[in-house]
Amino acid sequence: GENVEQHPSTLSVQEGDSAVIKCTYSDSASNYFPWYKQELGKGPQLIIDIRSNVGEKKDQRIAVTLNKTAKHFSLHITETQPEDSAVYFCAAPGASGGSYIPTFGRGTSLIVHP
Amino acid sequence: GAVVSQHPSWVICKSGTSVKIECRSLDFQATTMFWYRQFPKQSLMLMATSNEGSKATYEQGVEKDKFLINHASLTLSTLTVTSAHPEDSSFYICSAPWLAGAAEQFFGPGTRLTVL
Repeated sequence: GENVEQHPSTLSVQEGDSAVIKCTYSDSASNYFPWYKQELGKGPQLIIDIRSNVGEKKDQRIAVTLNKTAKHFSLHITETQPEDSAVYFCAAPGASGGSYIPTFGRGTSLIVHP
Repeated sequence: GAVVSQHPSWVICKSGTSVKIECRSLDFQATTMFWYRQFPKQSLMLMATSNEGSKATYEQGVEKDKFLINHASLTLSTLTVTSAHPEDSSFYICSAPWLAGAAEQFFGPGTRLTVL
């Protein structure tokens, strides 16, 4: 099955700084890589995703990069704001019985200090 | 994006009782839904895959007789925690792909279960 490693487990930055979270995966057949933001007491929310046919995708202050050769993908948040503070999870899906079942990283707790 | 709801958002029950959690897809049909459990400061762990009209598929180590899953319609899956014990206290989350076979998942808001 898929194995996903996520680093760092905790990331503390000052408001306005950039934050980078990195994930590696094991299954070279994986072709879809989402990032989720989870606020305390809530379910995960998809914030950005990338497919294996592109190397980078941006959405305002958030970007995701993918290196298929090295099997890693990263989340980049620029100009961080206190409301960005949350736990971020990466995932890589494993196909099973016609469904994609994501395997999650362990999560990164991002703390943005005002 | 697609919307998935869960009910209740939180529940407290006594040890030995059963608790039912509902997961609904509000604006799309979901032939498949997934149930996760999340302990504090940990990642989401897949418990089972719920399939409309057929039996659920459970992950290794998850007791199917304890965690009963029913996917009776294309918009509703239920998870029943039977004979709940304090160690079952957790955050239960469901998700569904917005389209059958799609990789994109939409998650419910979660249900906090506390067993006294």
